[in-house]
Formats: sequence, C-alpha cells, structure tokens
Amino acid sequence: QSVLTQPPSVSGAPGQRATISCTGSSSNIGANFDVHWYQQLPGTAPKLLIYGNNNRPSGVPDRFSGSKSDTSASLAITGLQAEDEADYYCQSYDSSLNGVIFGGGTKVTVL
Amino acid sequence: QVQLQESGPGLVKPSETLSLNCNVSSGSISEYYWSWIRQPPGKGLEWIGFIFHTGSINYNPSLKSRVTMSLDTSKNQFSLKLRSVTAADTAVYYCTRDSMVKTPVSGFDVWGRGTTVTVSS
Repeated sequence: QSVLTQPPSVSGAPGQRATISCTGSSSNIGANFDVHWYQQLPGTAPKLLIYGNNNRPSGVPDRFSGSKSDTSASLAITGLQAEDEADYYCQSYDSSLNGVIFGGGTKVTVL
Repeated sequence: QVQLQESGPGLVKPSETLSLNCNVSSGSISEYYWSWIRQPPGKGLEWIGFIFHTGSINYNPSLKSRVTMSLDTSKNQFSLKLRSVTAADTAVYYCTRDSMVKTPVSGFDVWGRGTTVTVSS
C-alpha cells in the first residue's frame, strides 16, 4: 500500500484530456513538500515529466501539466496521443517516514 | 550530458549481500544528491536511499537495517549494499540523480538504464 494514492488506470481517446490524481496526507503533500511526476514507457527507466509540482524539464511537451492543492496533486495530459501510453508515478517526501515516497502508479491507455 | 551506468551481479543467493555500483560519466559527483530506486517485476517504484558527498545519507526506513550506501569522489561513482537478501529483493535497480544542485528530493532527472537483480539459489 503506497503512501501516495493513485488510480490504477486511466484511459481516454486520442485528442482527449486525461487526469491522474495523487492523494497524500498532512505529512507529505499537505506539508508543502514538492510533488514530481514520472513517465515510464514499457521496458525503460522512468523519465522526469514534472518537477516542483508544475515545472516541465526541457523537452517535455506542454501537453503535460501538474498542479497541487492541499493534500493532493494532479497530472493532466491534454491532446492524448498514442505515445502517451505508459505508467505514470507521482513522488514526494514524507516527514513522518523521513523518506522519499512514490505513488503506486497509474497506467494510461489511449483507446 | 551526465549518464549513469549500474553494474553488479545479476544473480545473488538468498541471505547474501547484493552489491551494485553506479558510474557517473561526467560532471562532478559532489554537486548533487544521488539515489537508488528499485522496481520489483510488475510493481511500482521503491526508493532505497540517497547520499551526498558530505556524508549526508537517508535510507528508506523499511530497508534501513540492511542497506549501506557509499560514494567515491575519486572514481565518480556511488554504491549500494543490501544485506540478507530474499526473493522479495528481486527487482530492477536504478541509480538516479536529483535535478537541483545540492538539493535532495528535487525530482530525479537522470536515471541509469537499470540492472536486473534476481535473488535465487
């Protein structure tokens, strides 16, 4: 059971918008620790998609955006494309555990 | 462009010690925090620990009793040792770098390709 809760799966048609939630608590996201998001394509290492809640590294399309509010964060993908099919993970820090934490991951399927 | 490369045995016997190295191809290893992360087959990501060249170290509490990380600035590499392994430690092990200079938990922007470690007799 992950400290950060993500839906196991999300799907959408090409061109649609998909949103992935990441629910935490007062000892992690709610304690104002940053949330980062990763995309993992099958058989590859994860790739940093969003850092510091809503910042995109160079080269990440602006179709990807992040937000944070209270004890939750979200990753939005607009204009879904077939290449967006992947697993997505949120990550933060927990002050009670004194360590880095990940969400359980969300599989995005483009219908 | 910094690249990370994990190395170490792909097969470890139960109760023995898993040992991995991560070579940092360019840049100074002293500027960033470095982590190990693992992913059991078909499962999610698990952070193992991070290290900074000053000796600052933080381990996942669930693994703390079995983990030792170290860093060698002269070789530009850092290492992981996990003792008393069981089948539950079978995973792909990644070495990673935090994105911001001297700032832990700032987002892992550089990853190795990962190395598969199987625990089996």
